[in-house]
Amino acid sequence: ILNVEQSPQSLHVQEGDSTNFTCSFPSSNFYALHWYRWETAKSPEALFVMTLNGDEKKKGRISATLNTKEGYSYLYIKGSQPEDSATYLCAFLDFGNEKLTFGTGTRLTIIP
Amino acid sequence: DVKVTQSSRYLVKRTGEKVFLECVQDMDHENMFWYRQDPGLGLRLIYFSYDVKMKEKGDIPEGYSVSREKKERFSLILESASTNQTSMYLCASTEMPIEGLAGVDTQYFGPGTRLTVL
Repeated sequence: ILNVEQSPQSLHVQEGDSTNFTCSFPSSNFYALHWYRWETAKSPEALFVMTLNGDEKKKGRISATLNTKEGYSYLYIKGSQPEDSATYLCAFLDFGNEKLTFGTGTRLTIIP
Repeated sequence: DVKVTQSSRYLVKRTGEKVFLECVQDMDHENMFWYRQDPGLGLRLIYFSYDVKMKEKGDIPEGYSVSREKKERFSLILESASTNQTSMYLCASTEMPIEGLAGVDTQYFGPGTRLTVL
């Protein structure tokens, strides 16, 4: 069983502040790392799929980095807005496996 | 935009009932997946399908079966619902990747069905 951990489990951030959280995954046999945002009552929505060590991806105020050698990815949100309130999920794919292993998510609440 | 729809947002069934959860995607995706999500646990894969009439077990297939008679539709079946199958069920689809593994592609999710089994 693969261990994919996200921390913290939940987070409250003041509107306008920046924040970040972590996804840890096994460092061997890495193939891909996904990030999704899941707003309440909506479908999870893809943010990034990362495959290369050192990758940095950006989408508006949200960015992510990837370190496959040490087995972690950071998700950063700059200047948090109320619409950023959601659960952020990461999912790990190891080589030879067709199935993603999801973390339990970080629940982010932005305080106006 | 890819759209993945699920037949119900909320469903309440009784123990022992046969339950069908339907998922339809409109982008001609090859791969479809069924997950369940429970508090404190990550999304767990129940079954997935690469193609019509093909299915593969995921991590927790016990108590479930699936059907994929048409490319756009993937059904999850609870033959005899039990209370421990009370959960949020999510369907997802991906295109066939040009190379590599099916799981490398972005997954497009439906809005989920919250099933309660009494």
